[in-house]
Amino acid sequence: ETGVTQTPRHLVMGMTNKKSLKCEQHLGHNAMYWYKQSAKKPLELMFVYNFKEQTENNSVPSRFSPECPNSSHLFLHLHTLQPEDSALYLCASSPGQGVSYEQYFGPGTRLTVT
Amino acid sequence: GDSVTQMEGPVTLSEEAFLTINCTYTATGYPSLFWYVQYPGEGLQLLLKATKADDKGSNKGFEATYRKETTSFHLEKGSVQVSDSAVYFCALISNSGGSNYKLTFGKGTLLTVNP
Repeated sequence: ETGVTQTPRHLVMGMTNKKSLKCEQHLGHNAMYWYKQSAKKPLELMFVYNFKEQTENNSVPSRFSPECPNSSHLFLHLHTLQPEDSALYLCASSPGQGVSYEQYFGPGTRLTVT
Repeated sequence: GDSVTQMEGPVTLSEEAFLTINCTYTATGYPSLFWYVQYPGEGLQLLLKATKADDKGSNKGFEATYRKETTSFHLEKGSVQVSDSAVYFCALISNSGGSNYKLTFGKGTLLTVNP
């Protein structure tokens, strides 16, 4: 039990669909993150939000659109994805942004693009 | 930029064997170091951390010591169990490159423990 929840846990979508991933943290943290985990590749940081403001976009294609309405919720809106976007998408949160702040991860959403 | 290198897996051990997973890093400034574990079908869980040189992080029988002189943070456990089978990630956060404190991960090491 990590205090970070993600829904849905599994998602299959076609390339023309629009879907959203949701992340919620119950830890009172101020920073939230999206990561992509593909087979045989290191975890890739996608986006960072601190106090609801986006502080990092790691050259992510525009077909991924994040939204952070408050410090507890983070969304990733998906549209016109490609098969190579199939991966495990992990959300994380931390008390703030600093050297000693560890990140707490959710269980992930397993996305399959057909 | 920052980087983390950890030993390639997979690592296969028998129950009660000694475990070492090597991790070295490159970073400017004074990074904090972490080990995360990912069990099958789950997200990453923080296993242990160390925030300064010579600190030892420990949890669930696992230990790692922050060695600045060798830029290493090797993970050890004296007696592994089948339930330790998972992927282990070494990671760091540094204050290099401005105010964004990024968590940089190694590629992960798959550990399988057989009964």
